Amino acid sequence: NAGVTQTPKFQVLKTGQSMTLQCAQDMNHNSMYWYRQDPGMGLRLIYYSASEGTTDKGEVPNGYNVSRLNKREFSLRLESAAPSQTSVYFCASSEVGQAGGYTFGSGTRLTVV
Amino acid sequence: QKEVEQDPGPLSVPEGAIVSLNCTYSNSAFQYFMWYRQYSRKGPELLMYTYSSGNKEDGRFTAQVDKSSKYISLFIRDSQPSDSATYLCAMIIGGGYQKVTFGIGTKLQVIP
Repeated sequence: NAGVTQTPKFQVLKTGQSMTLQCAQDMNHNSMYWYRQDPGMGLRLIYYSASEGTTDKGEVPNGYNVSRLNKREFSLRLESAAPSQTSVYFCASSEVGQAGGYTFGSGTRLTVV
Repeated sequence: QKEVEQDPGPLSVPEGAIVSLNCTYSNSAFQYFMWYRQYSRKGPELLMYTYSSGNKEDGRFTAQVDKSSKYISLFIRDSQPSDSATYLCAMIIGGGYQKVTFGIGTKLQVIP
């Protein structure tokens, strides 16, 4: 039972480069989320997808785009990376109507130099 | 003012101690309360989940909610070195779709 799988686990980018973070879940959850976690800031929601076919901005969406490819997959794209986007990125999923919390992936550590 | 306030610590305790971790919140609409545990370089994992005011116990862990004071707590009895982690409180307003509001997390170290 894999849960939420994120790739890659580590990445170093140069300023201005682009990349896509991949996330897939095998729990048949409807809702998926992208968070970033920074020291002293906690978890901040970047984008979320309440259900397949919908995406919405979270607290810190600038500089990011997302795609809900299907029910299982939710990707996060950095079009032109900036040093301020150096962070640990977590994908999570949950079931609508089940107020029992999220299942998180193990994270992607991104450094932008 | 943040909706959820949590002391980041770090909190260091000797093995076997009782640990108390706390969060306060300002939005009285929150109905569901959770505690996540996050080990270093890992994703958060759900530890406890409560809906109403009162206590919920699971082994060495007790979650307490006081809605009148807008205050939640997590107690860890007989703390172990394996409990060393960051503990994040989280809460949801409720309804068909839930967007979780997280506390910043408290880093706990249990010293053998």
